[in-house]
Amino acid sequence: GENVEQHPSTLSVQEGDSAVIKCTYSDSASNYFPWYKQELGKRPQLIIDIRSNVGEKKDQRIAVTLNKTAKHFSLHITETQPEDSAVYFCAASSNDYKLSFGAGTTVTVRA
Amino acid sequence: EAQVTQNPRYLITVTGKKLTVTCSQNMNHEYMSWYRQDPGLGLRQIYYSMNVEVTDKGDVPEGYKVSRKEKRNFPLILESPSPNQTSLYFCASSSMTWRRGAYEQYFGPGTRLTVT
Repeated sequence: GENVEQHPSTLSVQEGDSAVIKCTYSDSASNYFPWYKQELGKRPQLIIDIRSNVGEKKDQRIAVTLNKTAKHFSLHITETQPEDSAVYFCAASSNDYKLSFGAGTTVTVRA
Repeated sequence: EAQVTQNPRYLITVTGKKLTVTCSQNMNHEYMSWYRQDPGLGLRQIYYSMNVEVTDKGDVPEGYKVSRKEKRNFPLILESPSPNQTSLYFCASSSMTWRRGAYEQYFGPGTRLTVT
């Protein structure tokens, strides 16, 4: 089955700086890569996703890049704000709905 | 309002006492799934279902059962709970039909289970 590794496990950034989270996957058939954000005590929610026919996707301050050859993808958050503090999960799927998640990254934005 | 609901939200039980966690969605989604979340391990899939009467094992199915008799409901059953099943459980659903945002998984609020 698919194995998704996520790094780092924790990330502390100064407000206004950028944050980058990286994930690698094992199944070359994977073609859908979503990112979920989980605020403390809340449920995970989709923040951005990318499909394998696209190398990069942006949505305001967040962007995701994908390198299919190397089997890795990354989440970039620019101009971080306190509300960006949360746990972020990457995931991969070969059929769009059955997701394999990474272990999560706890992001703390320092004021 | 489109939503996934789970009950109960919190449960403390003893080893061996059968329990069921209910999950219901009102979005007519075909796909439903159960995950457990443990510190440092992320979200691990327990079981999933692609339609009524169609279920399959995820990555950590041991000790769990599910059923999908109706499209909207996907209960998780622990026949004989053990302390290693103490965890935070999430139900999720998604459409399997492509349209903008179709593959987003909607998560329930979570059920925190403690088995003593």
